[in-house]
This record gives sequence, structure tokens and C-alpha cells, in this order.
Amino acid sequence: AQSVTQPDIHITVSEGASLELRCNYSYGATPYLFWYVQSPGQGLQLLLKYFSGDTLVQGIKGFEAEFKRSQSSFNLRKPSVHWSDAAEYFCAVGARGATNKLIFGTGTLLAVQP
Amino acid sequence: KAGVTQTPRYLIKTRGQQVTLSCSPISGHRSVSWYQQTPGQGLQFLFEYFSETQRNKGNFPGRFSGRQFSNSRSEMNVSTLELGDSALYLCASSTGQGSYEQYFGPGTRLTVT
Repeated sequence: AQSVTQPDIHITVSEGASLELRCNYSYGATPYLFWYVQSPGQGLQLLLKYFSGDTLVQGIKGFEAEFKRSQSSFNLRKPSVHWSDAAEYFCAVGARGATNKLIFGTGTLLAVQP
Repeated sequence: KAGVTQTPRYLIKTRGQQVTLSCSPISGHRSVSWYQQTPGQGLQFLFEYFSETQRNKGNFPGRFSGRQFSNSRSEMNVSTLELGDSALYLCASSTGQGSYEQYFGPGTRLTVT
């Protein structure tokens, strides 16, 4: 079955430090992969997506992610974190054979220390 | 373009009642998907509508239903509410052309007492 694993439930980083959020997926073919961010009480905002091609994808707010097929990973990175990045981050994969059905990971809650 | 809108934003209902939630997608988008978000189960896919037809369905009981109108607006209905139905219900819209790229609304927070 297709699945997404986000191993880190909670991460704390200092403002200005670099960030890497981990995501591993289980999928039999080339997946459609996404990262979303959710601020408290809000919906999900799409940060970036991978469909095919260049394995390093750029997103909004200075985020990037790298698709590594050999490791079944799609980790999210940011070189310098801002206090406003504190939120919950979700990795998702498009379900095979079911257009527009996304399978989400359990999320990583990011706290930013001043 | 205006984003995805959901109404109402907050709702309190009693066990056994039914509820209807509404979603207006981004202009030009023909697909609307619904997700349930709870602390215990996370984000789970309910169903997707495209051009007024249910195209995909998740693993939820028949108490959860939906529909889509000709203007692409969608409603979801939950009948015979249970305490476990308390959740944030998120609607997402997309063009529906198979890219899976979806844009989410702010959600409706449903509390069942």
C-alpha cells in the first residue's frame, strides 16, 4: 500500500539555522510528491511539488526539496529559517489510480527559537 | 483569483444530528476533494468530485456523502453525527486534469457534543 512517513514529529531550530524535514514514501512507480504547510487554525498551503524531471525542486518562501528515488525520500530544506516558518509541515504522495487523492504523512511540527 | 472558500468556518452540533458543509473552489477549477483532519488519524481523504460526479472515494462510512453542482461548488453531508466526527474538514480544489496539485481552503471546524 502507498504510504508516507515523516519520522520527526517535532523539530526545534534556532532562527537563522538551516532546516531539513524528512519524508519517505512507499510507491511502486514515479510518484507525485508534495509538501504542504499548515499554520494553526488554517488550511494547507502548497510549498512545492515534484512530478518528474529535475530532482531538486524550488518552492515558495525559500524552500526546496530533493527527490531521491534510491532512498524513496523527498526531504524539505531551507538554508535559513525565519520565526514565521513555525508551523506544521506535511509531505504527501498522489495515490496511484485515484486522481486528486493525496496520501499524507503524519506531519512535522516545527518550532523556531529566537 | 480568489482562493478556496469554505462555509461555515465553525460549527457545533449534537450527536445524532446531521450537518452540511460547503466549499467553493477556485474559479475555473472543476475538481473538489474533501479531507478530514483529526489529531489521531491525521489527514484522510473522504472523496473527490469532478464535473458533478464522484470520481474517487476514501474509506469512510456511508454517513459521509457529498455532491457537486454545475458551478463546481461542492457540499458534504454527515448524517447521524458521532463524537468521533469532530474534526477539521478541508476542501481542496484543482483543475482535475490529473496533476494532483490541489489548493486547500481554510477548513470547517466541526465539534460534535
